[in-house]
Order: sequence, then structure tokens, then C-alpha cells
Amino acid sequence: DTEVTQTPKHLVMGMTNKKSLKCEQHMGHRAMYWYKQKAKKPPELMFVYSYEKLSINESVPSRFSPECPNSSLLNLHLHALQPEDSALYLCASSQDEGRANEQFFGPGTRLTVL
Amino acid sequence: SQQGEEDPQALSIQEGENATMNCSYKTSINNLQWYRQNSGRGLVHLILIRSNEREKHSGRLRVTLDTSKKSSSLLITASRAADTASYFCATDRGGGYNKLIFGAGTRLAVHP
Repeated sequence: DTEVTQTPKHLVMGMTNKKSLKCEQHMGHRAMYWYKQKAKKPPELMFVYSYEKLSINESVPSRFSPECPNSSLLNLHLHALQPEDSALYLCASSQDEGRANEQFFGPGTRLTVL
Repeated sequence: SQQGEEDPQALSIQEGENATMNCSYKTSINNLQWYRQNSGRGLVHLILIRSNEREKHSGRLRVTLDTSKKSSSLLITASRAADTASYFCATDRGGGYNKLIFGAGTRLAVHP
């Protein structure tokens, strides 16, 4: 199984809502990533988890809260978001973070904040 | 923040033609990767070239890397309509973490 799955595909939320994005992989990868991508822009790294521990936080606002419950799952908890947070949120995984290797991306969650 | 730029920003060609996209970056790198993204979907890894390599092939793809000029190019030969997508280069500066910084991307349209 070489697939990264993300749910939901689409999410519309108000600024006072709390929601979560989920990401799952069963490739035995030990590094997982969250990216944010605005329309017609490249993906921007938000967080890196390595062996279920947060290793990189790219100065992301605290209204985004990542969680890695186990080596296969990655969540992104959302609270009190702003309309400018509307974007495609991509999850990715790689074998590990210490060596040069490709990242496998999920299809993304398209988030709209009203 | 973006590591570098890609050109052209957009490229429109006919099926069967070759497509060349260029990527420039600013700092020294451990490796450079190319990804494809179909409209509004996830990215697909195409090829990885290490800093000590100059050229790499994979099927109809040819990637070159010139570390002295801090630039790379992706050539797609005999393009097909299915190659229509955005193409991004991504650099990894090494030091662990496999932290990729993506270029701005080239939007390729291949017309039947």
C-alpha cells in the first residue's frame, strides 16, 4: 500500500468552530508532514513529525495544533481559524527524515473558513 | 519561504513536443526533487537528483543539476495531454529533517 489518505476531502468551517484534519499511511514511514498550499502557489511546510515526535514547527500560529497519535496517523486540529487560512492542506510521509528520500503526498483537504 | 524560482511560470505546447522547465535556488543543497501536481490534488514525486549528480533519467524525464549555477532543469520528451499539470522543484538543504522548500512551479498545458 503506497497511499496516503486524508479526510475529509472538503471542509467548510466558521471562525469559531473546532475541527480536525486526518492523515493516514500504512507504508511504515516514520516521518510525516503537514503542508499548506494557497491557490497557484507552492506548498509551504508547516510541521514535521519524526518517530511520532514533533521535530519542526515552521512558526505556525497556535490555532493549528498537530498531533501524531501513532506512527500511521497524523492529525491537524483547527480552532478559531481566519478566512485567510482557507487553503489546500496536504499531508505527506517519507521513510524517515534523516536521509534524502521522496515524500508521498495525500490528495489534500480543501479547507474554507467563513 | 520559497527557496527559488521556476521558469517559465506557464508553458503551453502541442502533444509530441518536448517541454523544458527550469529551477533556480539560492543556498547549497543536499538534493533536488521534482514533483507533479494535477489540478487541486496531491503531489507526485517524479525524480530525485543528489548534489553530486549532474544528470538523471526516468522514462521520458531527464533532469540536470548544475550546482555551480544553482539551477536544475526538467525535460519531458514526447509530451502527452496527460502530462498537463503543475511541476515543482523542491530543494533539501540536508542536515536531516528532509525539509523540502518548493519553487514557485511551472504550469504545463499539453494540447492534443
